[in-house]
Amino acid sequence: AQTVTQSQPEMSVQEAETVTLSCTYDTSESDYYLFWYKQPPSRQMILVIRQEAYKQQNATENRFSVNFQKAAKSFSLKISDSQLGDAAMYFCAYRSPGRGSNYKLTFGKGTLLTVNP
Amino acid sequence: EPEVTQTPSHQVTQMGQEVILRCVPISNHLYFYWYRQILGQKVEFLVSFYNNEISEKSEIFDDQFSVERPDGSNFTLKIRSTKLEDSAMYFCASAGTGAYNEQFFGPGTRLTVL
Repeated sequence: AQTVTQSQPEMSVQEAETVTLSCTYDTSESDYYLFWYKQPPSRQMILVIRQEAYKQQNATENRFSVNFQKAAKSFSLKISDSQLGDAAMYFCAYRSPGRGSNYKLTFGKGTLLTVNP
Repeated sequence: EPEVTQTPSHQVTQMGQEVILRCVPISNHLYFYWYRQILGQKVEFLVSFYNNEISEKSEIFDDQFSVERPDGSNFTLKIRSTKLEDSAMYFCASAGTGAYNEQFFGPGTRLTVL
C-alpha cells in the first residue's frame, strides 16, 4: 500500500518570504499522480498543484511550485512571496493511475503553515 | 464556478442513531468519494462510487456504512448505528474524466456523536 509522509507538522514563514513544505511517499508503482491540497480554517480542501510522475518537469502554478524527485520519492511544495491568505493546513496526496474506476487519494498528515505579518 | 456542496454543515447525534450525510457533486462528474478526518488527524479514504456501485472501500467502511446515489444528483453516506469514534469531519468529493481525475471537495459535514 502507498504511504505519504509529511515530516513537518508545523511551519511558519514571514509574509513575502519563501517556504518549502516537504513530502515523501512510498510506492512500487512507476506511474502515479501527486497533489498538494490546501485546507484553510474554513475547512474546504482546495487543490493547489498537481504533478504526473512521468513528467520530469516540475509543476508550477503562479507562486506555487513543486520539486519532484522521483528517484527519491520526494514531492516538496515551494510557496514564494507568501501571503497571509496562504495560512492553512497543507496536505500532500498520492493517487495511483487507477484500476478500473477507482482513483482514491492517500493523504499525508498535513503541515500547518502560519504566515507572520 | 461549479462546486460540491454538503449538508448539513454540522450534525449532532446520539450514539446508536442513524445519520445520513448528503452531498451534491458537480453535475457532470462521474466519480464520487467519501473521506473522513478525525480532528487533528489526516484525511482518510472511506469509499469510492462509480456507475452506481462501490468501486472500492477501506477497512473503515464496515457494514454500518452505506452509500447511495438516489436520484442522479445527490450522493449520500449513511451510518446506521453511530459510535463515538465516528465523530469526525466527513468530506465528499467528485471527479470528472481526464488524466488527472482531479477531485473537488465539498466543505464537509462535522459529525458529533454524543
